[in-house]
Amino acid sequence: DAGVIQSPRHEVTEMGQEVTLRCKPISGHNSLFWYRQTMMRGLELLIYFNNNVPIDDSGMPEDRFSAKMPNASFSTLKIQPSEPRDSAVYFCASSPPQSSYNSPLHFGNGTRLTVT
Amino acid sequence: GENVEQHPSTLSVQEGDSAVIKCTYSDSASNYFPWYKQELGKRPQLIIDIRSNVGEKKDQRIAVTLNKTAKHFSLHITETQPEDSAVYFCAASKAGNQFYFGTGTSLTVIP
Repeated sequence: DAGVIQSPRHEVTEMGQEVTLRCKPISGHNSLFWYRQTMMRGLELLIYFNNNVPIDDSGMPEDRFSAKMPNASFSTLKIQPSEPRDSAVYFCASSPPQSSYNSPLHFGNGTRLTVT
Repeated sequence: GENVEQHPSTLSVQEGDSAVIKCTYSDSASNYFPWYKQELGKRPQLIIDIRSNVGEKKDQRIAVTLNKTAKHFSLHITETQPEDSAVYFCAASKAGNQFYFGTGTSLTVIP
């Protein structure tokens, strides 16, 4: 099992540019989460999908952020246009189908985004 | 929605001593409580979890206790080692719902 795979690991871009982060969840997992981590705000949930359907996107900061999950094995988080305050580590996590209890999250290695 | 509070934010202990991190939650419907360890520059990794149908769970030097009545749960690390130094996050969730994370505890184990 390769785990949750994120790309790129590092992204440096200039303000105003479009940024696309990618995530491949663990095979068989049906829930996918995008988190942003900063020193000031900790781990923030941006959006999560269940069976490829967005369930809660209330954490998406503003219209500059969008996320898609076209199939069970791929998701993207896009920022357009990017701003310096978007600099953070973005984690993707997936979890297997749950019963009456949730199943644990498995995190990817993250994408460190720097917007100059 | 759920609100998870975590204390302390920083903790320093001597090697070999015990460390305790506490979390409280607000939603009595939450029934699954994982703990994650995040080393510097790395991803959060699950170290132990507990469901609401048990009060305690142990895995070697790590244990978690849950008090549903008081809505709090704690992580206990015994015989701490320098490699236990990391940031620890608690979380609360219920089936089909998102995970609500605490703000993290930075643990330093002094050799």
